[in-house]
Amino acid sequence: DVKVTQSSRYLVKRTGEKVFLECVQDMDHENMFWYRQDPGLGLRLIYFSYDVKMKEKGDIPEGYSVSREKKERFSLILESASTNQTSMYLCASSFGQRTYSNQPQHFGDGTRLSIL
Amino acid sequence: RKEVEQDPGPFNVPEGATVAFNCTYSNSASQSFFWYRQDCRKEPKLLMSVYSSGNEDGRFTAQLNRASQYISLLIRDSKLSDSATYLCVVNMYSSASKIIFGSGTRLSIRP
Repeated sequence: DVKVTQSSRYLVKRTGEKVFLECVQDMDHENMFWYRQDPGLGLRLIYFSYDVKMKEKGDIPEGYSVSREKKERFSLILESASTNQTSMYLCASSFGQRTYSNQPQHFGDGTRLSIL
Repeated sequence: RKEVEQDPGPFNVPEGATVAFNCTYSNSASQSFFWYRQDCRKEPKLLMSVYSSGNEDGRFTAQLNRASQYISLLIRDSKLSDSATYLCVVNMYSSASKIIFGSGTRLSIRP
């Protein structure tokens, strides 16, 4: 079974803090993704990575950055947290070759992040 | 027009009923299709891939209609545990960055 592990289920931070969300997958997947999910807006792609040190912006990258130094780990960074970044954050991974992929994604448990 | 559209529901059906959802997609270049289920406050989980020839997994049947650009999910003999939100996912151009999630259809099974 694919295992995608996110570092925290619940996180509370303050406005202006730098926040790190970590994700690790154990299936040697090339592709890794960060989404946020908000009521009425569905899943929105923040960033994705198709290889170590490679990244592409998704639909809503503003206010976020990512890091992929190792194949199994993909980190999402909120440079200066703001209240509108309160959300459910979901990491996913999938097989692929470069940006090509027709394989399903597998998700981590999610991190509920609250910015006060 | 949204790239992937689903009826948000909620569908409220009695246990044992058969229920079907459709999902339409706008881009004819779409290559691969999936159904996910998401329980309240949990992550989406892959339910099944959707193949051109249609596929079945127990009580669940998925079909693809490329001409009309929709996919469907049929659930037979529904159980209380089928209550969840069902997400339609469309991968355009077989590109990892062009995976579009529908907003989901909420299903509630009543005893």
